[in-house]
Amino acid sequence: DGGITQSPKYLFRKEGQNVTLSCEQNLNHDAMYWYRQDPGQGLRLIYYSQIVNDFQKGDIAEGYSVSREKKESFPLTVTSAQKNPTAFYLCASRPKSGGAAGANVLTFGAGSRLTVL
Amino acid sequence: AQSVTQPDIHITVSEGASLELRCNYSYGATPYLFWYVQSPGQGLQLLLKYFSGDTLVQGIKGFEAEFKRSQSSFNLRKPSVHWSDAAEYFCAVGPLYNNNDMRFGAGTRLTVKP
Repeated sequence: DGGITQSPKYLFRKEGQNVTLSCEQNLNHDAMYWYRQDPGQGLRLIYYSQIVNDFQKGDIAEGYSVSREKKESFPLTVTSAQKNPTAFYLCASRPKSGGAAGANVLTFGAGSRLTVL
Repeated sequence: AQSVTQPDIHITVSEGASLELRCNYSYGATPYLFWYVQSPGQGLQLLLKYFSGDTLVQGIKGFEAEFKRSQSSFNLRKPSVHWSDAAEYFCAVGPLYNNNDMRFGAGTRLTVKP
């Protein structure tokens, strides 16, 4: 079945360490997104990528980095510069824009919970 | 700037009772509206969406929502709640394309009493 796979589901990090969250999709979607979810704050956009080898900052990109070397993969690195990284991270994707009315419907992965010790 | 407000942080209803979750939005252009549901520790699943046409939209799992432009609202309803509906519900507003402009509400957590 097609979908988005995020790993690991749970991750613990010591202060000062970088960690990378994996996001892989087999939906043949062009655009991919990373959101951060904190209790009572909904989802906030960290980075997004609409095509391979291109990505853009979202609303809260500071302390994060991404790459998009393959269409299927959009890993997120939480760097030591991110002051409050403990959160639930969601990866999402959607088909290429300009298509059917469903083009703006996001498909989400199951998320990765990062805890800083 | 576009924004979404979900006034109720937490709602408790009895199984079999009706449900209405409120959503108000502020958006400068034609709004495209969505409701997503999230089970604990999981990603979000689309319940329904409004792009145009009939202002009452039907979704999965027996949910419906009504778009009221005059009130800037897009409330989610279900006539009879099941215990499996316990989850967190998110309203979102955005353009037809380019999810980078999508805005999510803070969510409403639904508890269902037996």
